[in-house]
Amino acid sequence: EAGVAQSPRYKIIEKRQSVAFWCNPISGHATLYWYQQILGQGPKLLIQFQNNGVVDDSQLPKDRFSAERLKGVDSTLKIQPAKLEDSAVYLCASSLSGMNTEAFFGQGTRLTVV
Amino acid sequence: DAKTTQPNSMESNEEEPVHLPCNHSTISGTDYIHWYRQLPSQGPEYVIHGLTSNVNNRMASLAIAEDRKSSTLILHRATLRDAAVYYCIGSSGSARQLTFGSGTQLTVLP
Repeated sequence: EAGVAQSPRYKIIEKRQSVAFWCNPISGHATLYWYQQILGQGPKLLIQFQNNGVVDDSQLPKDRFSAERLKGVDSTLKIQPAKLEDSAVYLCASSLSGMNTEAFFGQGTRLTVV
Repeated sequence: DAKTTQPNSMESNEEEPVHLPCNHSTISGTDYIHWYRQLPSQGPEYVIHGLTSNVNNRMASLAIAEDRKSSTLILHRATLRDAAVYYCIGSSGSARQLTFGSGTQLTVLP
């Protein structure tokens, strides 16, 4: 079974630039998550989708971060403008139906803001 | 929200059992306890989850205390490939999403 695909794997940008990350979840998975993982910390949930609707985005810095999941499949996460503190690994995960089902994570995109 | 507490780090010898503890005293009666692990430069990987009774799968066993305020992840025979950060997670929030803490860094000694 194909896993969660993310691209790019690495990205270096200057502060105040914009960047976008792409995620393709496992086929048939209704729930999609974006996490931010700063070095040395556990992943922090940014946003959770159920199909193409947002279930929780309470920790998403909405002044600079946005995410969408068109047609309930692929998703993109955008940062505009980026700050130095946005340097982190951005992880995408998917699961069949959210609550108490196994989540599968991609390898992540490592973002460095200089 | 189900806040969890784990030791920052643990060591184990190869081919010996490992018991990774987790306290989750604020867990609600309907919150599952999930364990994930993260190898270096990888995304987290599901290990096991359970609600009340002990659970076994090919990777590990999960022993849940009767009062559900703590649980223990058991790796029956640690290998060098089991060296990772292990996260004990309670689901929280209106959508019962996974809320990660800092986890336990497991070092396996040859």
